Amino acid sequence: NAGVTQTPKFRVLKTGQSMTLLCAQDMNHEYMYWYRQDPGMGLRLIHYSVGEGTTAKGEVPDGYNVSRLKKQNFLLGLESAAPSQTSVYFCASSYAGGYGYTFGSGTRLTVV
Amino acid sequence: AQSVTQLDSQVPVFEEAPVELRCNYSSSVSVYLFWYVQYPNQGLQLLLKYLSGSTLVKGINGFEAEFNKSQTSFHLRKPSVHISDTAEYFCAVSMKNQGGKLIFGQGTELSVKP
Repeated sequence: NAGVTQTPKFRVLKTGQSMTLLCAQDMNHEYMYWYRQDPGMGLRLIHYSVGEGTTAKGEVPDGYNVSRLKKQNFLLGLESAAPSQTSVYFCASSYAGGYGYTFGSGTRLTVV
Repeated sequence: AQSVTQLDSQVPVFEEAPVELRCNYSSSVSVYLFWYVQYPNQGLQLLLKYLSGSTLVKGINGFEAEFNKSQTSFHLRKPSVHISDTAEYFCAVSMKNQGGKLIFGQGTELSVKP
């Protein structure tokens, strides 16, 4: 019962470097989401997907790109990392809107 | 625009005392409401949710919440807390027919002291 798996769990990047965060779910959920969590700001939606091959912007999409080529995977890319992207990133999936999410355990990213 | 406000950023309480964590939301459309808990260095777990029906919702670990439509509130309560309830709690709202997006409050840090 893996649920939602995020890789990697920790990463340190230098400013300007690129990386991809992987989210995989084994629950056949249609909806997937990427959030970032910063102290005192709760979780803010970066991008989301309502099905394979679809993506949409959330509240804070700038500096990030996503892809959902397979239903079970949702990738978050940083093309040129900036210190402002230092955060904890959470992936979540949902069977349908309104049914609540299953969260991954998070990726702690530091950009120096 | 929809928003969620958690009225207390930190709530210290003694073990076995009751606790209420307050949440207000604003939305022009019908909503689903959620409370999540985050233990240190972990992801978020669903405590309870309100989709429709009875306005008093019971969740895991003895928590409950009441949906008050007129006051646009969804406060979380527990009659007697334990040390193990120490965590951060997030209120969230999802608008119907909006792709299931959750909007989160800023979080309330519950600290239970012996």
